[in-house]
Amino acid sequence: EVLLVETGGGLKQPRGSLRLSCSASGFSVSINYMAWVRQAPGKGLEWVSSKRADGTTFYSDAVRGRFTIARDNSRNTLSLQMNSLRAEDSAVYYCARGTSVDERAFDFWGQGTTVTVSS
Amino acid sequence: QSVLTQPSSASGTPGQRVTISCSGSRSNVGSNSVNWYRQVPGTAPKLLIYLNGQRPSGVPDRFSGSKSDSSASLAISGLQSEDEADYYCAAWDDSLNAYVFGTGTTVTV
Repeated sequence: EVLLVETGGGLKQPRGSLRLSCSASGFSVSINYMAWVRQAPGKGLEWVSSKRADGTTFYSDAVRGRFTIARDNSRNTLSLQMNSLRAEDSAVYYCARGTSVDERAFDFWGQGTTVTVSS
Repeated sequence: QSVLTQPSSASGTPGQRVTISCSGSRSNVGSNSVNWYRQVPGTAPKLLIYLNGQRPSGVPDRFSGSKSDSSASLAISGLQSEDEADYYCAAWDDSLNAYVFGTGTTVTV
C-alpha cells in the first residue's frame, strides 16, 4: 500500500527555518517524480517544488532560493528545507507522488503538515 | 495569482450534469496535458483525471475530462451529493517552468 506521511510542521518566526519530511512506503521515492504542494488557509492549491527521478529539481518563483527539495533514498523520504520563512509561507504542506504515465499527475498525497509563520 | 482560470462555483441538482471550465494559454494547457483534482475541505486532494481525459483506477466514469486548444473542462454527470467538493485543474507551464493549478471551483449539489 502506498502511503505518504508528512512531519515537521509547526510555528516559526519570520526569517526562521523549518525542515519538512515526507516518509514514503509502498514505493521508492528514488524512482518517482515527487512534489510539494501547499495550501494557505482558505486558499487554493499552490505547487511549491518537484524532484524528478533523475534528480532534476524545480521550484516556484515564490520559494526559489529559499527552499530546497531533497530526498534520502536510504530512508525513502522526501524533504523540504525552508529558510528565510515569510508570513505568506503559512500553509498546509502536502507531499505528492507523480504517476508512472504522467509524472506531473499526482496520484498519492500525504495528509499534510501545517506551517505557521508568525511573530 | 493563478494562470489557469476556473469559475468560482458550479451547482446542480442530483442526477444533473455539471461542467467546469479551465482556461489557460498556449504555454500551459495549450502545450501540456491537464490534470484534475478533487478536494473535500480539510482533506488532501485526490487525482480525478490525468492526461486530459484518463481516469485513475477507482474514479467513476461519471467524471470525464476534455481539452481543446488552451482550454479544458471537467464534466460530472449523474451528480451526487458526495460530489460536493472543490475541483482544481492543473498543468505544467513551459514559460514559467512551473506546475500551475487553477483557481478552483466549488461544486454544490
